[in-house]
Amino acid sequence: DQQVKQNSPSLSVQEGRISILNCDYTNSMFDYFLWYKKYPAEGPTFLISISSIKDKNEDGRFTVFLNKSAKHLSLHIVPSQPGDSAVYFCAASASGTYKYIFGTGTRLKVLA
Amino acid sequence: GAGVSQSPSNKVTEKGKDVELRCDPISGHTALYWYRQRLGQGLEFLIYFQGNSAPDKSGLPSDRFSAERTGESVSTLTIQRTQQEDSAVYLCASSLVDSNGIQYFGAGTRLSVL
Repeated sequence: DQQVKQNSPSLSVQEGRISILNCDYTNSMFDYFLWYKKYPAEGPTFLISISSIKDKNEDGRFTVFLNKSAKHLSLHIVPSQPGDSAVYFCAASASGTYKYIFGTGTRLKVLA
Repeated sequence: GAGVSQSPSNKVTEKGKDVELRCDPISGHTALYWYRQRLGQGLEFLIYFQGNSAPDKSGLPSDRFSAERTGESVSTLTIQRTQQEDSAVYLCASSLVDSNGIQYFGAGTRLSVL
């Protein structure tokens, strides 16, 4: 049972446009969410996080939106750059736990 | 460097052989995770170490899998009598306890069981 789902395995976007990566979860106990970025032959690196007390968190070109009622979060990258081409994973956890459930990832390709 | 180091980066083995994967966490990080990523899948939690507490082994898929960590240092993941379905990338991550969930990952070990 996949508790965290990234239904789009891949996404292509033109340089300068907005990239929107989506993530859905099923466990209502999840209240903390992270996005990681992974380049080939490297481990994932932390990108941005959001707590359920917020519905938006912004860091430079990256913004994460959380819709608790829909159990949905999205990562917006604007403007997209070729260096953003990578696999993006969302992860979720519940308060007081150390286990993080990861999605299957979305491969983003930003076209120059 | 000061990041998480994993070795070997690639391992090819024959079915039935034992393999040992190593992880050197970031110095001072008391928490250490092992994950498995099969082709086209997400990161699957295997085991969690926190300081000298008993590890959470709930993610280990079978008794062929075991892991050890001495204190807050190196960890080894051992897979006995490897099977073809064990083929995957094995990722290690470390973190501070109070890190808001931010984990620092190694580059992983790609295991291929022939």
